[in-house]
Amino acid sequence: DTEVTQTPKHLVMGMTNKKSLKCEQHMGHRAMYWYKQKAKKPPELMFVYSYEKLSINESVPSRFSPECPNSSLLNLHLHALQPEDSALYLCASSPSHVEELFFGEGSRLTVL
Amino acid sequence: RKEVEQDPGPFNVPEGATVAFNCTYSNSASQSFFWYRQDCRKEPKLLMSVYSSGNEDGRFTAQLNRASQYISLLIRDSKLSDSATYLCVVNVGTYKYIFGTGTRLKVLA
Repeated sequence: DTEVTQTPKHLVMGMTNKKSLKCEQHMGHRAMYWYKQKAKKPPELMFVYSYEKLSINESVPSRFSPECPNSSLLNLHLHALQPEDSALYLCASSPSHVEELFFGEGSRLTVL
Repeated sequence: RKEVEQDPGPFNVPEGATVAFNCTYSNSASQSFFWYRQDCRKEPKLLMSVYSSGNEDGRFTAQLNRASQYISLLIRDSKLSDSATYLCVVNVGTYKYIFGTGTRLKVLA
């Protein structure tokens, strides 16, 4: 039922691999977010794009590289990750800078 | 002090019970407030936004008290399907949403 679509749902990668997570929304929202969530913890903000420009980078390591090709798409490029980066990666969008967030189902990442 | 605080629970309640959760926030400039529900290994889903006048959606009632800086969620006639973690979320500025650690609810048959 979610209107924010994330792919893939599951990803297993080695520490030398390069992979990407993808997110798409067609609600016309101008803000899109990447969050990281570890088990039994709340989501932690990684990046925010507003009007296709990077607005917030929460001091995320450079092995995570976001990209916003257009207002409907958000990617997260992954390279040289560490096992501790294993987590649920959630994409979200919002109509404005203060309104509710709408989450995708997440991409569960395991780094071996 | 954490920016958004919740009692982690778990709250174990029988079916049909009424249960209430509180959430306190420290930033007096907070602009908007939400309750999300999160099932195990799933994404957070918006339960309701919280307004100063209070709002109700079926069995769920949310209240905001700006003077005391807390929000509450009341669930009446609890169902087994209400078992989940309830996240309090506060917007503290442009695109900045602070999540509480969540309150676990288990409704028992």
